[in-house]
Amino acid sequence: DAGVIQSPRHEVTEMGQEVTLRCKPISGHNSLFWYRQTMMRGLELLIYFNNNVPIDDSGMPEDRFSAKMPNASFSTLKIQPSEPRDSAVYFCASRWTGVSGLGYTFGSGTRLTVV
Amino acid sequence: KQEVTQIPAALSVPEGENLVLNCSFTDSAIYNLQWFRQDPGKGLTSLLLIQSSQREQTSGRLNASLDKSSGRSTLYIAASQPGDSATYLCAPRGNTDKLIFGTGTRLQVFP
Repeated sequence: DAGVIQSPRHEVTEMGQEVTLRCKPISGHNSLFWYRQTMMRGLELLIYFNNNVPIDDSGMPEDRFSAKMPNASFSTLKIQPSEPRDSAVYFCASRWTGVSGLGYTFGSGTRLTVV
Repeated sequence: KQEVTQIPAALSVPEGENLVLNCSFTDSAIYNLQWFRQDPGKGLTSLLLIQSSQREQTSGRLNASLDKSSGRSTLYIAASQPGDSATYLCAPRGNTDKLIFGTGTRLQVFP
């Protein structure tokens, strides 16, 4: 199994530009989570999906952020327009909820720098 | 709202020592708790998953204990090695399917 795959690994963009981060969860996993990690705030949950449906987006900072999961094998997190304070590492994680005791698997993250 | 605290925030020890990393959480209504390791600039690697019905879980030199009623978990690392240097994060999972992370313990083991 290739694990959770995120792309790109690094992204440098100018303020005001649109940024799209991508995630492919582990095949068979039906829950997907987007986290953001910064030095100041640690790991924060932005949004999570269950069976492709957004369940809780209360962590999404503002309307500039949006996330979609068009099918079970792909999700995107979009920031439009981007701002320097969005600079962080964005992680995607997935889990199979078929058994309540199973844990989460994280991707390697996308390091976003907005200049 | 679940709040997770990890103590100590940082730890620097010579190799060979047995280590204790502490995690406390405010809401004891959890399904399980997961310990992760994060190397600098890398993603999170799952170390141990301990269910709410369990008291302990072991993997090699790592042992995690859970006292759900008091809101505490402890990660023991036996005979520490320089390769154990990383940040260790604990994350309890409640009934909302959310993982809430602590601030982590940054561990450095020197030769």
